[in-house]
Amino acid sequence: DSGVTQTPKHLITATGQRVTLRCSPRSGDLSVYWYQQSLDQGLQFLIQYYNGEERAKGNILERFSAQQFPDLHSELNLSSLELGDSALYFCASSVGGQVEQFFGPGTRLTVL
Amino acid sequence: SQELEQSPQSLIVQEGKNLTINCTSSKTLYGLYWYKQKYGEGLIFLMMLQKGGEEKSHEKITAKLDEKKQQSSLHITASQPSHAGIYLCGATRDSWGKLQFGAGTQVVVTP
Repeated sequence: DSGVTQTPKHLITATGQRVTLRCSPRSGDLSVYWYQQSLDQGLQFLIQYYNGEERAKGNILERFSAQQFPDLHSELNLSSLELGDSALYFCASSVGGQVEQFFGPGTRLTVL
Repeated sequence: SQELEQSPQSLIVQEGKNLTINCTSSKTLYGLYWYKQKYGEGLIFLMMLQKGGEEKSHEKITAKLDEKKQQSSLHITASQPSHAGIYLCGATRDSWGKLQFGAGTQVVVTP
């Protein structure tokens, strides 16, 4: 158990819908990262927050947004869902930048 | 990502034998991470390397970083069924920590 929690574990929804994925980082970690893993694209970085502020952006679609709250938990919002958004979404956390990143168990999103 | 190449793509090793996985970056590395993943599950942190020539070990797994070649190798000694899974290398290019991952190496350990 990495100490990073993600909910829900599984999510099945329809095209065009909107979902919210939640992540609670390890106690004491200020940095939260979101990654997407799919069979065709592999594991890709989406976005990073550090102590409530956006720090880095990767291959994140405009339909996706994220935020980190004062209690340091983070949410990833995916809207106007398409079939291709089906993937495993991981959250990771770390104390800062260049240290160990610990991953949560992931949320498996299926868009039908 | 093609900027981070892992080899081999997959390998089958007999229990008790050694194995090595390589990870080569086409861009300058800031940090190199190794993770293990069981299919469809979360990533388990193995090791992080930063300095050239750095070598770290955890149980029967050793990782080295060759800064000159921008390459890292992960070596498992006397493999066991518990070593089966997908090994992923990840690289950071700056101090912020966002990881860029290789495609992964699937390891199968046979009796």
